[in-house]
Amino acid sequence: QSVLTQPPSVSGAPGQRVTISCTGSSSNIGAGYDVHWYQQLPGTAPKLLIYGNSNRPSGVPDRFSGSKSGTSASLAITGLQAEDEADYYCQSYDSSLSARVFGGGTKLTVL
Amino acid sequence: EVQLVESGGGLVQPGGSLRLSCAASGFTFSSYWMSWVRQAPGKGLEWVANIKQDGSEKYYVDSVKGRFTISRDNAKNSLYLQMNSLRAEDTAVYYCARDEAAAGNWFDPWGQGTLVTVSS
Repeated sequence: QSVLTQPPSVSGAPGQRVTISCTGSSSNIGAGYDVHWYQQLPGTAPKLLIYGNSNRPSGVPDRFSGSKSGTSASLAITGLQAEDEADYYCQSYDSSLSARVFGGGTKLTVL
Repeated sequence: EVQLVESGGGLVQPGGSLRLSCAASGFTFSSYWMSWVRQAPGKGLEWVANIKQDGSEKYYVDSVKGRFTISRDNAKNSLYLQMNSLRAEDTAVYYCARDEAAAGNWFDPWGQGTLVTVSS
């Protein structure tokens, strides 16, 4: 059971918009700790997609956006493309565990 | 180009030991926190441990405390993870990652990972 809760899977057709939620608690996201998102393409290492809730590293398309509110965060992907098919993970810090924590991951399928 | 390359993974029996290494290049290694993150087969990501720039602070996830030791050699631009008393549940791909602890606790970049299999 992960500290941060994500839906196991989401799907969408090419060109559509999808969102992935990440729900935490008062000891992590709700305590004000930033949320970060990673994309893991099949058979590869995770790659930073969003940092500090809503910031994109250089090279990440603006089709990817992040937001945070209360004890939850969301990743939105617009204009879905086939190459977006991957696992997505949210990550934050938990003060009660004194540890960086991840969500269980969400598998995005492009139909 | 910023690069992290892990090595040292392999098959080890339960109760055995293994030492992982991570060679860093393309950035000033001594200026950054570093972390190990693992991923069991078919499972999600789990942060394992991290270490401050000068090695003076180290933190671990509860499940590895007392068994794993993180260390670094800034002269060699290298990060290490000594794993003792290994268990089947430690089987995973182990990634080293640069840890932006000062800025907000994210990981970027990640190495390609090294597989550790604990089995008799």
